Amino acid sequence: EVQLLESGGGLVQPGGSLRLSCAASGFIFSGYAMSWVRQPPGKGLEWVSAISDGGGTTYYADSVRGRFTISRENSKNTLYLQMNSLRGEDTAVYYCAKEVRSNSWYGPDYWGQGTLVTVSS
Amino acid sequence: ETTLTQSPAFMSATPGDKVNISCKASQDIDDDVNWYRQKPGEAAIFLIQEATTLVPGISPRFSGSGYGTDFTLTINNIESEDAAYYFCLQHDNFPYTFGQGTKLEIK
Repeated sequence: EVQLLESGGGLVQPGGSLRLSCAASGFIFSGYAMSWVRQPPGKGLEWVSAISDGGGTTYYADSVRGRFTISRENSKNTLYLQMNSLRGEDTAVYYCAKEVRSNSWYGPDYWGQGTLVTVSS
Repeated sequence: ETTLTQSPAFMSATPGDKVNISCKASQDIDDDVNWYRQKPGEAAIFLIQEATTLVPGISPRFSGSGYGTDFTLTINNIESEDAAYYFCLQHDNFPYTFGQGTKLEIK
C-alpha cells in the first residue's frame, strides 16, 4: 500500500524558514517523480514544485522560485521542501504527491494527507 | 501557463442523480487532464486519468470525457458517500495547474 506522510509543518514568523519532509513507502521511491502541492485556507490547490525520480530535474512555481528548494533522498525514501523567506501567502496545507508513472510526468496518483504551515507573527 | 476553469464551484444533488462537473482549459492540452476527489482530513483519491480512463478500483459510476480544452467528470447514480470536493488537474505543461474545485453536497 502506497503511503505518503508529510511532516515538518508548524507556525513560523514572516521571513523564517521551515523544512517539510515526506516519508514514502509501498512503492519504489527512486523510480517516480514527486511533487509538492499546497492549499491555502479556504482556497484552491496550487502546484508548488516537482522533482524527477533521480533528483536531477526540478520545477518550481513562479511564486516560490528562489525561495523554496525541492530535494529527495532516495536511500531514505524521503522527499523534502526547504522553504526560506516565508511570507503570509505561503500559509497553506502542503501535500506531497507521487507521479502516476515512472520516469514521466502524467500527474499524481497518490497524495499525502498534508501538513499545515502557518506564517504569522 | 494553462488556466483551468472549473464549474460549478458548488452543487447539491439527491441520491440517484447524475451530475456533471466541467473543466475548461485556456489552451489545447490534448487529454492531459486528471480528476480527483478529496474529503476533509483525507488524502485525495485519483479517479480519472488522461481525461477518460477510469483508475483501477474506482467505481464505474465515475466517468470522464473531453479532449483539447473541454473536459467533464460525470458521476452517475449519486450516493451519499460521493459528498466531497472534486478537482481537475492538467499535466500537459509546467506549472501543473488545477481547477478551482467543486464542492458536492448530497441532500
